[in-house]
Amino acid sequence: QSVLTQPPSVSGAPGQRVTISCTGSSSNIGAAYDVHWYQQLPGTAPKLLIYGNSNRPSGVPDRFSGSKSGTSASLAISGLQAEDEADYYCQSYDSSLSGYVFGTGTKVTVL
Amino acid sequence: EVQLLESGGGLVQPGESLRLSCAASGFTFSSYAMGWVRQAPGKGLQWVSTISSGGRNTYYADSVKGRFTISRDNSKNTLYLQINSLRAEDTAVYYCAKSSGWPYYCDSWGLGTLVTVSS
Repeated sequence: QSVLTQPPSVSGAPGQRVTISCTGSSSNIGAAYDVHWYQQLPGTAPKLLIYGNSNRPSGVPDRFSGSKSGTSASLAISGLQAEDEADYYCQSYDSSLSGYVFGTGTKVTVL
Repeated sequence: EVQLLESGGGLVQPGESLRLSCAASGFTFSSYAMGWVRQAPGKGLQWVSTISSGGRNTYYADSVKGRFTISRDNSKNTLYLQINSLRAEDTAVYYCAKSSGWPYYCDSWGLGTLVTVSS
């Protein structure tokens, strides 16, 4: 049972903007621990998409952006493309568990 | 280019043990923390364990504490995960990940190795 909650699925037409929420609590996101995001394309290993709440690694398109506020974080994908169909996971640290936690995961579908 | 190659997975019976390895290249292995993340079939990601760059500090998820042991050999650029008393619920793809920041995040991932626990 994950302590970071994400919507199971989101969808959008090509070119649209979608957002994925990641809701935590006062022992993880609300405790000022950074949130990171990963993209997992079908049948492949996860890939780092956003680190430190809003930073993109080299090579990640600027269509992807992250933000954090209070006990939640969000990943936005603008100009949605077919290649963005994947599962997306948020991740943070939880002081109550003294360990790292992943979100429940969100499947993005491009209509 | 960072490369992480896991090995050691396979089909094992409940109660048996297994040691996973992760061969690293393309970066200064001894300068980075490393970790393991697993994914059960059709399920989400679950953090398993992390080890500091020098190997002195280790961290485990509560669900594996006492049964799993993470270690590393910086002279061989290799990360290990010893898994004892395997259970059906340990069935998953195990990913090796290079870790950065503090608290850590996984900036590079291997392709994974499948562990199946079944009688």
